[in-house]
Amino acid sequence: GNSVTQMEGPVTLSEEAFLTINCTYTATGYPSLFWYVQYPGEGLQLLLKATKADDKGSNKGFEATYRKETTSFHLEKGSVQVSDSAVYFCALPVGYNFNKFYFGSGTKLNVKP
Amino acid sequence: GAGVSQSPSNKVTEKGKDVELRCDPISGHTALYWYRQSLGQGLEFLIYFQGNSAPDKSGLPSDRFSAERTGGSVSTLTIQRTQQEDSAVYLCASSLGGMNTEAFFGQGTRLTVV
Repeated sequence: GNSVTQMEGPVTLSEEAFLTINCTYTATGYPSLFWYVQYPGEGLQLLLKATKADDKGSNKGFEATYRKETTSFHLEKGSVQVSDSAVYFCALPVGYNFNKFYFGSGTKLNVKP
Repeated sequence: GAGVSQSPSNKVTEKGKDVELRCDPISGHTALYWYRQSLGQGLEFLIYFQGNSAPDKSGLPSDRFSAERTGGSVSTLTIQRTQQEDSAVYLCASSLGGMNTEAFFGQGTRLTVV
């Protein structure tokens, strides 16, 4: 079946550290892959997406590459900031037309000054 | 409105009472979703509406939960005879409904059953 597995948090980093949040998936077909972010006190919002294998999604210094061979979509950022502190969710659209989302369990990131 | 609007933002109810949660999606969005986010947990899919098609209710945890969407726009999630384990944040999202399209989320309703 379809599923998303995300690394557990919380992840605590110092400012300017390198970030990786792992996400692996199991899917039927060839869905797009998404990362959503939930800042404290706010709703979920799209961070980035990739629509096909080997695509790289990027936004706000974050990147993720759609790796079909390893069924992964790991989120990375070269230098995190305190303002990046949030919960990050990997998401996989499923269903006959890929418009119902399954979300990972979320990874909380704490960035310390 | 500009985004997905949910009301109320907070709801405290006594165990056994019924509650209704409301979602106003983005105008023109044909797809509407309800998710539940329990403390420290991920998002649990509840139900999905797409246009005039029959809703996908596969995520509803029990027959105490139901949802409707009137006129293809506003949706109401109803929980009957609430239990303490129903306490969570209930999130609504909408999208254009096409393949692999972005879902836009509301701020959620925090439900506390005491």
